[in-house]
Amino acid sequence: GESVGLHLPTLSVQEGDNSIINCAYSNSASDYFIWYKQESGKGPQFIIDIRSNMDKRQGQRVTVLLNKTVKHLSLQIAATQPGDSAVYFCAESSGNTPLVFGKGTRLSVIA
Amino acid sequence: DAGVTQSPTHLIKTRGQQVTLRCSPKSGHDTVSWYQQALGQGPQFIFQYYEEEERQRGNFPDRFSGHQFPNYSSELNVNALLLGDSALYLCASSLGPKDTQYFGPGTRLTVL
Repeated sequence: GESVGLHLPTLSVQEGDNSIINCAYSNSASDYFIWYKQESGKGPQFIIDIRSNMDKRQGQRVTVLLNKTVKHLSLQIAATQPGDSAVYFCAESSGNTPLVFGKGTRLSVIA
Repeated sequence: DAGVTQSPTHLIKTRGQQVTLRCSPKSGHDTVSWYQQALGQGPQFIFQYYEEEERQRGNFPDRFSGHQFPNYSSELNVNALLLGDSALYLCASSLGPKDTQYFGPGTRLTVL
């Protein structure tokens, strides 16, 4: 997925349903992962983060799951609302390396 | 509690010109990172400033330079602008170089 973009993977979800947005990463040394939400014309907004010593972390209506074996990260949004429509980015870093953003996913909520 | 602010919001320049973008970090934050986000792409790391020094740098040419002031605010300068420099420039601040980064609204730069 990617930014406010033209050819993003798109996930369409009915309002009230749960959403799952997936992200694969390639650097096995990555030890910090973060999800951002970006609405059109705005900067990325922090949602939730997780470190590699955990495999699950919950926030308000959101859960991040980390599977280090297959290098996979997911963001689950419960009871998706129209205001959740945006582009979602995962990002990773390792040690002293800067954040590397994945290609975003556009979430469209159908009312 | 003020979040990250950036100025200007929009900017139009012509090729060869120089531009300066400004960022004020979130209250209490001492580290500023700059990113370039081209249309349809994720943000790409330019550099990070901490204690008034460039701590890390991404794969950007020397035309991109920056500065951090004693009050932790920061500037991004781009010289000899190219058409390909057209993008959304994002500033993110954090409490220390490794902490969670919070983004500002960005500056939309258009190079004609």
